[in-house]
Amino acid sequence: GQNIDQPTEMTATEGAIVQINCTYQTSGFNGLFWYQQHAGEAPTFLSYNVLDGLEEKGRFSSFLSRSKGYSYLLLKELQMKDSASYLCAALDSNYQLIWGAGTKLIIKP
Amino acid sequence: GAVVSQHPSRVICKSGTSVKIECRSLDFQATTMFWYRQFPKQSLMLMATSNEGSKATYEQGVEKDKFLINHASLTLSTLTVTSAHPEDSSFYICSARDLGFGTEIQETQYFGPGTRLLVL
Repeated sequence: GQNIDQPTEMTATEGAIVQINCTYQTSGFNGLFWYQQHAGEAPTFLSYNVLDGLEEKGRFSSFLSRSKGYSYLLLKELQMKDSASYLCAALDSNYQLIWGAGTKLIIKP
Repeated sequence: GAVVSQHPSRVICKSGTSVKIECRSLDFQATTMFWYRQFPKQSLMLMATSNEGSKATYEQGVEKDKFLINHASLTLSTLTVTSAHPEDSSFYICSARDLGFGTEIQETQYFGPGTRLLVL
């Protein structure tokens, strides 16, 4: 079956760095997305990886290893506003998004 | 980046009435739009895939006669919750597939802001 695994919750300190891991098993693969979702709001797009390697966008970076079925989202210089759920989603062969349950990130001062 | 709008953002209705939610892609054409539902503290659940000019594809367990989807144009899809009941109260989110022609990104989905439905 198709499956996305990511930690349920993580805690980090303001100004620090945190890495949120995601492993996936899908029928075919057409890329991996990371979304940020604040409570009560719709998810917002953060990144898309389809080739192996690291993609950097400001404080956020996303990494993909297709052979390992693994991705991570790296957040640097954490700010309080980064407290949110981070959703990992893989695009399968039918271009459907398979969602993880999300990782709730708690930032402490 | 691309923008997807949803209207209304919040709606309260009486049990038994119908509610229409609009999803628009504002600066790109979307042949495919998706409708999701999110229950509190849970991940998004795909309800249906809306294809322009053809019938929507519903996920297992989603009643197509209750959740009517119309993808009338390349920039507009509508979800109508018919004969709404309190258990239909939820957060409904649409997304539009951007094929990314002429950009570095091959494909992505952009989400609308969501519509919070409360059925009394």
